[in-house]
Amino acid sequence: EDQVTQSPEALRLQEGESSSLNCSYTVSGLRGLFWYRQDPGKGPEFLFTLYSAGEEKEKERLKATLTKKESFLHITAPKPEDSATYLCAVHDRGSTLGRLYFGRGTQLTVWP
Amino acid sequence: DADVTQTPRNRITKTGKRIMLECSQTKGHDRMYWYRQDPGLGLRLIYYSFDVKDINKGEISDGYSVSRQAQAKFSLSLESAIPNQTALYFCATSSQGPNYNEQFFGPGTRLTVL
Repeated sequence: EDQVTQSPEALRLQEGESSSLNCSYTVSGLRGLFWYRQDPGKGPEFLFTLYSAGEEKEKERLKATLTKKESFLHITAPKPEDSATYLCAVHDRGSTLGRLYFGRGTQLTVWP
Repeated sequence: DADVTQTPRNRITKTGKRIMLECSQTKGHDRMYWYRQDPGLGLRLIYYSFDVKDINKGEISDGYSVSRQAQAKFSLSLESAIPNQTALYFCATSSQGPNYNEQFFGPGTRLTVL
């Protein structure tokens, strides 16, 4: 059973059309939730860390939020350069420090 | 120059061959990781190392081995490659400080086993 589930698998948005990506998790105790961006042919690039329910982080058009069961990555007025795969990862309190469990990602395409 | 480099970037090999993937970093981080990424499966941890004398198995270590030659170098070996090891392989690093979970990834090695 996956510990991290991301939805949708793929999302197509028109430029300027805001939306949200979802990351739900089932771990015994959340030590941290992480969002990464991955461009084709490249390694994931770190975006945000969230530690507790109610926490929010923002960067340009992206805003990440966290509840006790899931995280959302809100994309406001996206641009074509926001097209990428967005990965969510969690650190379970019961696992070794630094060991992350990744979701399968949401592939976002923003068209002009 | 990139902080985390991987060589080779692309490799095609045959079943049964031994192959080594190399990772070097200039970030000064103590912790290093090897992941593989398959379409539709996400990133899975193969091995990780928290310092030169520390090596730990991840979720999918069977068929792989690693060597931490120095703080900055972490190599992944496939002793006898098989086709289902065809995947994209990433090396990552992180610090031991407060941001220990912020992992920095290399550009990846695309491995094809025929």
